[in-house]
Amino acid sequence: DTAVSQTPKYLVTQMGNDKSIKCEQNLGHDTMYWYKQDSKKFLKIMFSYNNKELIINETVPNRFSPKSPDKAHLNLHINSLELGDSAVYFCASSQGRAGELFFGEGSRLTVL
Amino acid sequence: GQSLEQPSEVTAVEGAIVQINCTYQTSGFYGLSWYQQHDGGAPTFLSYNALDGLEETGRFSSFLSRSDSYGYLLLQELQMKDSASYFCAGLDQAGTALIFGKGTTLSVSS
Repeated sequence: DTAVSQTPKYLVTQMGNDKSIKCEQNLGHDTMYWYKQDSKKFLKIMFSYNNKELIINETVPNRFSPKSPDKAHLNLHINSLELGDSAVYFCASSQGRAGELFFGEGSRLTVL
Repeated sequence: GQSLEQPSEVTAVEGAIVQINCTYQTSGFYGLSWYQQHDGGAPTFLSYNALDGLEETGRFSSFLSRSDSYGYLLLQELQMKDSASYFCAGLDQAGTALIFGKGTTLSVSS
């Protein structure tokens, strides 16, 4: 069983489109995250949810909207996609202090 | 501000020992974590130091000195499969999310 799973793994789309990435964890963790990894491998926190409540919302364009229907799911919706949104998006979860994160396999988004 | 600095690249040969350093500037700091990421893969957790000192897990050890704002990851008996990117990461002020360094690419040759 995959602990943190994301879909889709690959996404190729045109500028201006809207797309969503889904994430589910079966670890029973309370906290979930979205990270963005750019072409230089820099991992940047985007959002953090604890028990369905938004905890962290870093400086991210409001075209990005996370949604957590329950504590096992955290989805990411992106409106009006831009070239600079091309990256790998990682979902992660943790329990308690966030020193240990469990990452999903990543969703590679390519905007043409 | 919160930032973590680590070398961008390190090279070594099989069987050797390598140390990857991480220095940080942050306040309200709770601990230092280390992650490994192979090309095309997801970051995987290696270790977490909440307190000063050395933590050992098999061939990997991690060290933290909070007074020096410094830590390192020590990899022993290097193997080809250890070729990967290694990230140090610190908890943010609220202790709610990890802030990552830019990563160190380790290349192990035979």
